[in-house]
Amino acid sequence: EIVLTQSPDTLSLSPGERATLSCRSSQRVGSSYLAWYQQKPGQPPRLLIYGTSSRAPGIPDRFSASGSGTEFTLALTRVEPEDFALYFCHQFDTSPWTFGQGTRVEIK
Amino acid sequence: QAQLQQWGAGLLRPSETLSLTCAVSGESLSGHHWIWIRQSPDKGLEWIGQINHNGIMSYNRAFRNRVTISVDTSRSHFSLRLTAVTAADAGKYFCARTMGDYPNDSLDVWGQGTVVTVSP
Repeated sequence: EIVLTQSPDTLSLSPGERATLSCRSSQRVGSSYLAWYQQKPGQPPRLLIYGTSSRAPGIPDRFSASGSGTEFTLALTRVEPEDFALYFCHQFDTSPWTFGQGTRVEIK
Repeated sequence: QAQLQQWGAGLLRPSETLSLTCAVSGESLSGHHWIWIRQSPDKGLEWIGQINHNGIMSYNRAFRNRVTISVDTSRSHFSLRLTAVTAADAGKYFCARTMGDYPNDSLDVWGQGTVVTVSP
């Protein structure tokens, strides 16, 4: 199965700073088949990005994402208080669909 | 916008069968695939399997021998059964929906999750 490895495990930032989250795949993932989710405590994951770089409806433009092949990135230009959460990448190119272990963005 | 409401027993003994149901409101079951995901501290998010309105299913091989996913279009819900549970099956189970009609797609609507505990 494809293993997604996210880095760093935890990112400590102050509001207003930029965040860059990485997702590395053990095999090539087609660009249509990579998504990012945000999860807050007690809530289900929320779709942020689909197709590697397209923002889901209602997602603010401070979230952007890019990547190809085995390297994918989620960026937040200016972290807002509501952005402190857990972030997951997800591939659905090759079954079984798999998720990264998550990056926690926490307040510094 | 579709909403998913899930329910099922949250406390099981080893060897029992986990049974969860997810009701879809706000739209029909056609046009999407319907997913079960598990989240646990040990293994993170795991795709269990999925089904569409025609009953076409796919499963994670890690669960294949124990899992059944079914759909009831008349009641607009889909269900998960996982037999012979062990402590390793504890976690929070989510139902979710694919964004489009492709079996491999991002998941844009999620249920609230059901915590399952397995204890003797």
